[in-house]
Amino acid sequence: QVQLQESGPGLVKPSETLSLTCTVSGGSISGYHWSWIRQPPGKGLEWIGYIYDNGNTNYNPSLMSRVTISLGTSRNQFSLNLGSVTAADTAVYFCARHFLGTWASWFDPWGQGIPVTVSS
Amino acid sequence: DIVMTQSPDSLAVSLGERATINCKSSQTVLYTSNNMNYLAWYQQNPGQPPKLLISWASTRESGVPDRFSGSGSGTDFTLTISSLQAEDVAVYYCQQYHSTPFTFGQGTKLEIK
Repeated sequence: QVQLQESGPGLVKPSETLSLTCTVSGGSISGYHWSWIRQPPGKGLEWIGYIYDNGNTNYNPSLMSRVTISLGTSRNQFSLNLGSVTAADTAVYFCARHFLGTWASWFDPWGQGIPVTVSS
Repeated sequence: DIVMTQSPDSLAVSLGERATINCKSSQTVLYTSNNMNYLAWYQQNPGQPPKLLISWASTRESGVPDRFSGSGSGTDFTLTISSLQAEDVAVYYCQQYHSTPFTFGQGTKLEIK
C-alpha cells in the first residue's frame, strides 16, 4: 500500500523559500502524477501543482511564478519549492498521488500533511 | 479556472436523518468523449488529510459506507448521506479534475443537530 510522508521545516521567514519533500513508500513514483496541495488554517484546499515521473510539471497559475516541483535525488521522492513566501503561504502542505495513471484524476492517497508557518 | 461552489457552508442534521450537500461548477466537468463527470467528493476530519469518498461523481470508493452516495452531471452535483451517523461529522469537499488548475469547493461543515 502506497504511503506518502511530507518533511521539511515548519517555520520559514518571510521572503525566503519554503522547501518540502514528499517520500513515497510501498510503491514507485513511476507511472503516476504527484501533486502538492495546501490548506491555510481554517480554510479550504488549494492545488499547487503536479509532477510526472518524467519530470513534466503543471502549476497553478496563481502560484506559477514562485513554484518549482521537482523529482528528488532518490527515486521515491519529489519536492516543492515556493519562493518569496509571505504570511499568506502559512498552511498545511499535503502531497498526494493522482489515483489514475493520468493527470486527470482525483487524489488518493494523501500524506498526513505538514504545517508550515511563515513568520520572522 | 473552474470555480466550485458548495452549498450550504454548514449543515446541522439529526442522527438518522438525511444530509444533502450541493456542489456547482462554473463550467461543465463532463467529458462528452467518455460521458464521465470528472468530480470527486472528500471527507476531512480535523488534523487529517481529506479522504476520498466518491469519484466520477457517483462511484463510491471501496470501504465507504453505502449511506454515502453521489449524483449529478455537467455542472450540478450532490453528495447525500442517507442516514447520518455520529462519525459522519466532518467537512466535505467537492473537487473537479476535468482541467487544471484542479479546484475544490470551499467546504461544507456537517454537524449533528
